[in-house]
Amino acid sequence: DTGVSQDPRHKITKRGQNVTFRCDPISEHNRLYWYRQTLGQGPEFLTYFQNEAQLEKSRLLSDRFSAERPKGSFSTLEIQRTEQGDSAMYLCASSADGQGNGYTFGSGTRLTVV
Amino acid sequence: RKEVEQDPGPFNVPEGATVAFNCTYSNSASQSFFWYRQDCRKEPKLLMSVYSSGNEDGRFTAQLNRASQYISLLIRDSKLSDSATYLCVVTSYTGGFKTIFGAGTRLFVKA
Repeated sequence: DTGVSQDPRHKITKRGQNVTFRCDPISEHNRLYWYRQTLGQGPEFLTYFQNEAQLEKSRLLSDRFSAERPKGSFSTLEIQRTEQGDSAMYLCASSADGQGNGYTFGSGTRLTVV
Repeated sequence: RKEVEQDPGPFNVPEGATVAFNCTYSNSASQSFFWYRQDCRKEPKLLMSVYSSGNEDGRFTAQLNRASQYISLLIRDSKLSDSATYLCVVTSYTGGFKTIFGAGTRLFVKA
């Protein structure tokens, strides 16, 4: 296990289409996070899982966004009816249990909505 | 006011210089603090955790002032390879889990 993997690396989609991204965290890590980052900004929190339970969702996460982590391992983030404002880098991170543990990020999925 | 604020820079310094970055946070209940480094078009990577007693890792020193809600990162003897964006990160666990990233401070180290 070499780290957090995200797939695809890049996605170009037409406005109105649905897209799904996948994240495979570090296997020993129980916690998984999704963030979104746009140019010149820090990552913005979207949602957080502890094992298979989705414990937090940001207000940024509209009804068009849904995330799952069905078996407590990999996670998917789906965006329905994409809009141009959804264009961003979508970052997945994982961490071990316990306060004070930093995250390990994947390389991200860069989404471009045209 | 943003929950985590950083000077966006950029900081342009010569090799060998000492440079300091500051970060302020608004949530007094915050409990964990970190500095991350992000290279252009790459993912953030954990640089160091920040402890109340302050901590040092080679040329990097991080300090936390809870009373002033202020975090700092000092880089001594800057290298060209230190050029990156440095992100301040604050986590709180009260009323739900919340981790906030600052917008980052850009550093350019010149030969």
